[in-house]
Amino acid sequence: DIVLTQSPATLSLSPGERATLSCGASQSVSSNYLAWYQQKPGLAPRLLIYDASRGATGIPDRFSGSGSGTDFTLTISRLEPEDFAVYYCQQYGNSPPTFGGGTKVEIK
Amino acid sequence: EVQLVQSGAEVKKPGESLKISCKASGYSFTSYWIGWVRQMPGKGLEWMGIIFPGDSDTRYSPSFQGQVTISADKSISTAYVQWSSLKASDTAMYYCARSLRVAKHFDSWGQGTLVTVSS
Repeated sequence: DIVLTQSPATLSLSPGERATLSCGASQSVSSNYLAWYQQKPGLAPRLLIYDASRGATGIPDRFSGSGSGTDFTLTISRLEPEDFAVYYCQQYGNSPPTFGGGTKVEIK
Repeated sequence: EVQLVQSGAEVKKPGESLKISCKASGYSFTSYWIGWVRQMPGKGLEWMGIIFPGDSDTRYSPSFQGQVTISADKSISTAYVQWSSLKASDTAMYYCARSLRVAKHFDSWGQGTLVTVSS
C-alpha cells in the first residue's frame, strides 16, 4: 500500500495568512490521482481538490493544489475563519486507495 | 441535489451482528460507485471498500477483506456495510461516499454513522 505522510501535523496560523500543507507518498502516485479533503469537527469530509490540482465544484479559489509523483501540496492563499479544520490527502491511483494522517490548521 | 443519508447511531455488544445503510438520492444510483470509510475516535480516515450498485462489483482494502461485507440494493438506492461478529475495535464513525469510478476521489459524502461496540 502507498503510505501518505502529511506535514506538518499541526499548522498554527492567523486569519489572512497563507497555509501550505504537504503530502508525501511512499511511491509515485499513478496519474497524479490525489485528492484533498477538509473535515470540520463533527462533520463529514468535504472534497476540495482532485487529480492533484482540479478544484471541486463550489470550492473557493483560495484553495489550490499542486504537485506530482510523490510530492503534493495544498495551498490556502488567505485563511478565512471557516478554513480552520483538519485536511486529509488521499491517493486513488494505486490500489488500495489510502489517506494521509491529516494536518490540523488551527488559529494562532 | 446529491444526498447520501446514513442510518442512525448504533450501540452493540461484542459478538453481535450489524448492518448499517446509506440511502442515495438526486442522481442515478447505478452509475456511481459507493465507498465506505472508517474513522476511529480521534483518528484519520481509512478506505474500507467500494461497490458498483449497477452490477454489485465489490472491491475491498486488504485490511478490511473478510472483516466486513459491502452490498447494495439498487431497487431502493441503498448501500450497506455489515459485520457478522463485532469487536470493540470496530468502534468508529463510518462514512459512505460516492465515486465516479472505482479508482477516483469521493465527491459526496454521507453524514456518518457512529458505531459503538462495548460490553
